[in-house]
Amino acid sequence: DGGITQSPKYLFRKEGQNVTLSCEQNLNHDAMYWYRQDPGQGLRLIYYSQIVNDFQKGDIAEGYSVSREKKESFPLTVTSAQKNPTAFYLCASNTLRGGNTEAFFGQGTRLTVV
Amino acid sequence: AQSVTQPDIHITVSEGASLELRCNYGATPYLFWYVQSPGQGLQLLLKYFSGDTLVQGIKGFEAEFKRSQSSFNLRKPSVHWSDAAEYFCAVGFTGGGNKLTFGTGTQLKVEL
Repeated sequence: DGGITQSPKYLFRKEGQNVTLSCEQNLNHDAMYWYRQDPGQGLRLIYYSQIVNDFQKGDIAEGYSVSREKKESFPLTVTSAQKNPTAFYLCASNTLRGGNTEAFFGQGTRLTVV
Repeated sequence: AQSVTQPDIHITVSEGASLELRCNYGATPYLFWYVQSPGQGLQLLLKYFSGDTLVQGIKGFEAEFKRSQSSFNLRKPSVHWSDAAEYFCAVGFTGGGNKLTFGTGTQLKVEL
């Protein structure tokens, strides 16, 4: 089945540690995105990538880093510089072809700082 | 900048009643409604790019694009208990990575 897989589903981090969230897609989509979701704030864009080895900051990139070494993969690292990392993180992808802006989402990773 | 507003944070309806969730957008032609069950990802309900302003989606939902009111409200004639979830309106445009901007969401509660 084609889709987007995020892992792990739940992640606990101690303060001061970096953690990496995984996102893999087998939809052959060009673009991939990371969103952060907090109660009452909707989804906010952290980073996005339109092509391998290239990515751009979104609205709330501070304290996060990404890489896009393969088309299928777009891991997100939450660094110790992120002051309030506890949130629900969603990865998405988009084909970028035919003017289609529909995004497909993974099931999310809930990160909790302990 | 793109903008999208969902004025209602919470809505409660009785099962079997009709539903309308409001969404107001800025200057963008591409509109979406997504639904999210607790702890899950987002599922696309419907989308509007151009053409017929009344759009049919999955699970019996529809939405109407009204340019004069800058609205794209989501409707369902008869709500089922399983429709309880959070609903997000989103706007997008081609180019610049085809990013989507989301509203803050409307939490729907269905009373039996």
